[in-house]
Amino acid sequence: DIQMTQSPSSLSASVGDRITITCRSSQSISIYLNWYQQKPGKAPNLLIYAASSLQSGVPSRFSGSGSGTDFTLTISSLQPEDSATYYCQQSYSTPFTFGPGTKVDIK
Amino acid sequence: QVQLQESGPGLVKPSETLSLTCTVSGGSISTYYWNWIRRPPGKGLEWIGYIYYSGSTNYNPSLKSRVTISVDTSKSQFSLKLNSVTAADTAVYFCARLTRAQPYYFDYWGQGTLVTVSS
Repeated sequence: DIQMTQSPSSLSASVGDRITITCRSSQSISIYLNWYQQKPGKAPNLLIYAASSLQSGVPSRFSGSGSGTDFTLTISSLQPEDSATYYCQQSYSTPFTFGPGTKVDIK
Repeated sequence: QVQLQESGPGLVKPSETLSLTCTVSGGSISTYYWNWIRRPPGKGLEWIGYIYYSGSTNYNPSLKSRVTISVDTSKSQFSLKLNSVTAADTAVYFCARLTRAQPYYFDYWGQGTLVTVSS
């Protein structure tokens, strides 16, 4: 199985801050990396697919980059509604695997 | 707008079989992969497996011996059966649609249903 790690596990930032979450895979997964946002009691919501493609309807302050084993999710200007847990997920091969999540709080 | 809705018992006894159904509306069940994913309390997301509309399946090896996913295209439903459950199977279970080709991603999800394994 391909193992996914994320850092940090949690962060607290202010409205308007730029934040970056890192995701690393245990082997190369090309660009087959997706990012999801999950709020308490809700289903995960797709933000970014194929490492850098913004899902329709997702605000442009979200962006993704990377390839191979190292990927990042950036929120350019943090908003109150961005308080959530963020997961990366590899779709290079089955079993599909997710990172452990990064919890983002607003100060 | 595609919508998915999970249904099934919220409480299952240890050693018994967990059974859930996902109903798809607002779109065709054809030509996509239909998935089950779970999130145990305090833990991350775990992919359980998928079924293609034609009936072919792919399961997570960690659960493969206990899992069966089936599809009923006439009802636009697919189902999960997980047998010999233990407390470790307590989780919120989600159904989700996977795109039909690379790049694969889960683009639609159900709201999730909590299943507790307890006597």
